[in-house]
Amino acid sequence: EVQLVESGGALVQPGGSLRLSCAASGFTFSTYWMHWVRQAPGKGLVWVSRIDIDGSNTDYADSVKGRFTISRDNAKNTLYLQMNSLRAEDTAVYYCARNLRPGQWLPLDYWGQGTLLTVSS
Amino acid sequence: DIVMTQSPDSLAVSLGERATINCKSSQSVLYSSNNKNYLAWYQQKPGQPPKLLISWASTRESGVPDRFTGSGSGTDFTLTISSLQAEDVALYYCQQHYGTPYTFGQGTKLEIK
Repeated sequence: EVQLVESGGALVQPGGSLRLSCAASGFTFSTYWMHWVRQAPGKGLVWVSRIDIDGSNTDYADSVKGRFTISRDNAKNTLYLQMNSLRAEDTAVYYCARNLRPGQWLPLDYWGQGTLLTVSS
Repeated sequence: DIVMTQSPDSLAVSLGERATINCKSSQSVLYSSNNKNYLAWYQQKPGQPPKLLISWASTRESGVPDRFTGSGSGTDFTLTISSLQAEDVALYYCQQHYGTPYTFGQGTKLEIK
C-alpha cells in the first residue's frame, strides 16, 4: 500500500526556518518525481515545488523561490522541504504528493494527509 | 504561468441530477507530439487530501465511479457528474501539469440542493 506521511509542521515566528519531511512507503520511491503542494486555511491548492528522481532537477513556485529548498534521500525513502525566511502567508497545510507513475509532467495520484505550518508571532 | 479558471465557484445540485464544472486554461495544455491534454481533476472532501479523479482530461482513475466524466481539449475542459450522489459533496479542482509551475483552478464547491 502506498503511504506518504508528512511531519515537521509547527508554529514558527516570521523570519524563522523549518524543515518538513515526508516518509514514503509501498512503492519504489527512487523512481518517482515528488511534489509539495500547500493549502492555506479555507483556501485552494497551490503547487509549491517538485524534484526529479535523483534530486538533480527541481522547480519552485515564484512565491517560495530562493526561500524554500526541496530535497530527497532515496536511501531513507524521504522527501524534504527546507523553508527559510518564513512569512505569515506561508501558513498552510503542506502536502507531499507523488507523480502518477515514473516520469515527469504527470498528475499527482497519492497524497499524504498533510502537516500544518503556522507562521505567527 | 498558465492560469486555470474554474466556473462556477459553487454549485448546488439535487440528488440524482447532473453537475457540470468548467475549467479554462490561459493557454493550451494540449501537447501536440502525443495529442494528450495535460489536465487533471481532483476531488477534496473536508479534512482530507485531494484525490485524483481524472487524468489526461478524460481518463478516469481506477476505482472512480463512471458517473464522473472528463471532457474537453486545448483550453476548455469540463467535469460532469451524471447523477449526483450524497458522497460527491466536495471541492473539485482542475490542474494543469503541462509545465511548471503546475497550477490549480480556484476550486468549485459542490453541494446538495
